[in-house]
Amino acid sequence: AQSVSQHNHHVILSEAASLELGCNYSYGGTVNLFWYVQYPGQHLQLLLKYFSGDPLVKGIKGFEAEFIKSKFSFNLRKPSVQWSDTAEYFCAVNAQPNAGKSTFGDGTTLTVKP
Amino acid sequence: KAGVTQTPRYLIKTRGQQVTLSCSPISGHRSVSWYQQTPGQGLQFLFEYFSETQRNKGNFPGRFSGRQFSNSRSEMNVSTLELGDSALYLCASSLVDRDAGELFFGEGSRLTVL
Repeated sequence: AQSVSQHNHHVILSEAASLELGCNYSYGGTVNLFWYVQYPGQHLQLLLKYFSGDPLVKGIKGFEAEFIKSKFSFNLRKPSVQWSDTAEYFCAVNAQPNAGKSTFGDGTTLTVKP
Repeated sequence: KAGVTQTPRYLIKTRGQQVTLSCSPISGHRSVSWYQQTPGQGLQFLFEYFSETQRNKGNFPGRFSGRQFSNSRSEMNVSTLELGDSALYLCASSLVDRDAGELFFGEGSRLTVL
């Protein structure tokens, strides 16, 4: 069975600080990888995704993530966070392309202080 | 394009009762999956329906069931409610044929069991 581990449950940063959220997954086959974000009072939405090709993927709002296959990792990064990035971030793995069964990490709550 | 719509948004039930939640996917999306979100367990996969057939199932007891209609709308039912069923139930739809499992979430139905 696949599993996803997010390293930090709660991260607090000041505006303009750099962000890196760790995500490791456990699965031996081919995976599709996602980061979803849930802003306060809003529904979960896709931040970025990796299916194949360039392991460095860029998403919305200046976020990027790097897939390192040898480390089973898909870490999320942003060079300079803003107060509006305060949200909960979920890493997810889908090991069945074209199916709706994704396994999610427990989430990381990011608080950005103005 | 309308997003994923879930009804009701909030509901309160007592132990032993049953509840039915509804989900209308994005037009053209044929896959509908359900997740349970709780503070302690994160997002847990319940089941996925595609073309009116349950295609994937998570590790939940038989009290949790679902179905999908010919117009792709889906319902999930929880019978004999327990206090531990209190959670946010999220529905997500997916194109399936492409975008390999990218999920589009509704705002959720928040169930409180007293």
